[in-house]
Amino acid sequence: EVQLLESGGGLVQPGGSLRLSCAASGFTFSNSAMGWVRQAPGKGLEWVSAISASGGSTYYADSVKGRFSISRDKSKDMLYLQLNSLRADDTAVFFCATFQGASTLEPFAYWGQGTPVTVSS
Amino acid sequence: EIVLTQSPGTLSLSPGERATLSCRASQSVSSTYLAWYQQKPGQAPRLLIYGASSRATGIPDRFSGSGSGTDFSLTISRLEPEDFAVYYCQQYGPAGLTFGGGTEVEIK
Repeated sequence: EVQLLESGGGLVQPGGSLRLSCAASGFTFSNSAMGWVRQAPGKGLEWVSAISASGGSTYYADSVKGRFSISRDKSKDMLYLQLNSLRADDTAVFFCATFQGASTLEPFAYWGQGTPVTVSS
Repeated sequence: EIVLTQSPGTLSLSPGERATLSCRASQSVSSTYLAWYQQKPGQAPRLLIYGASSRATGIPDRFSGSGSGTDFSLTISRLEPEDFAVYYCQQYGPAGLTFGGGTEVEIK
């Protein structure tokens, strides 16, 4: 069974930083592109970032480019998202998700339950 | 960026009725790169349809997708109680990933 377990969310002040983690199991992590999607309270889904199966290619939404950084550790089956220079409009639940295959030209096949991030003073 | 506009915002129907949800793209999207997701309150989204018309693993055949170019649709042939939820379309082509704003299917 595919499992994605996010952690690292919490309350942070504007301008602060957080590192989100996603522990993957139940599938061959090194063969799957991975991504992060967020959902602001009461709003829809917004793609944030993606990384290829190899880790050699990374992609970002314009709204987070230069502030967020995605990475993966194949030895630990872990996905990360470093959030810097956080703003109030970054407040959201952040979901970790696996693409259906090695490419980001695939749908998100499986999702974690999400970790909440609140940016407030 | 390709903008996806979903309509209607809310669909009020009764169990057993047919639901048709629309997703319109601001520019042409290859049907290869169009997906639909279902999300229930407090839960993660679930993949229903990919490649515009292929059902994901374990998805009942009352869910079907169709369309091409800029106009796509998701049809639920006969609504079951567990189908009342929010539905999102998504395009995942080379131009980047975007989601529509969602359609809520609520019990009438």
